[in-house]
Amino acid sequence: DGGITQSPKYLFRKEGQNVTLSCEQNLNHDAMYWYRQDPGQGLRLIYYSQIVNDFQKGDIAEGYSVSREKKESFPLTVTSAQKNPTAFYLCASSMAAGWFRGGVPGELFFGEGSRLTVL
Amino acid sequence: KQEVTQIPAALSVPEGENLVLNCSFTDSAIYNLQWFRQDPGKGLTSLLLIQSSQREQTSGRLNASLDKSSGRSTLYIAASQPGDSATYLCAVLDNFNKFYFGSGTKLNVKP
Repeated sequence: DGGITQSPKYLFRKEGQNVTLSCEQNLNHDAMYWYRQDPGQGLRLIYYSQIVNDFQKGDIAEGYSVSREKKESFPLTVTSAQKNPTAFYLCASSMAAGWFRGGVPGELFFGEGSRLTVL
Repeated sequence: KQEVTQIPAALSVPEGENLVLNCSFTDSAIYNLQWFRQDPGKGLTSLLLIQSSQREQTSGRLNASLDKSSGRSTLYIAASQPGDSATYLCAVLDNFNKFYFGSGTKLNVKP
């Protein structure tokens, strides 16, 4: 089945550790996104990528890093520089890349999320 | 900057009621508006997408409308069921392929 797979579902991090969250999609989407969700708050954009080998900072990129070496994959690394990393992380993707293609951006699809807890 | 607001933040209704969830946005220059459902501890599931040129979309008991000029969208749920209990979020897509989300309406349908 087509979709977005995030792993792991639950992750625990010790102080000073870097951790990487995986996001894989088989929807052939150009654009991929990472969001952070905190209890009682809306989604906040961390990073997004509209094409392979290119990505842009979102509203809360400090302490995070990403790569986009393959169209299907957009891993997120939570570094030790992120002071408050405990949160629910959501990966998403959409078809068409807006002004890159001249087409109409499409529907946004989400993975099941990864919950990161700092010990 | 685009701002998306959802009112009310929480809603509790008895089973069988028809209900309306509201979403407003400040910049009418959008490509589309999408409604999502989120169950506790889960990702977001797309319910309906309305292109900027459309006025409404329907799927089963759900109907979403869009009024770009006034910056408003509504999600109408007919004959609500306990299984509809979830948080409902709306999101708009701007000209730069960036999505803006509301904070959601938490719906509780009581049996």
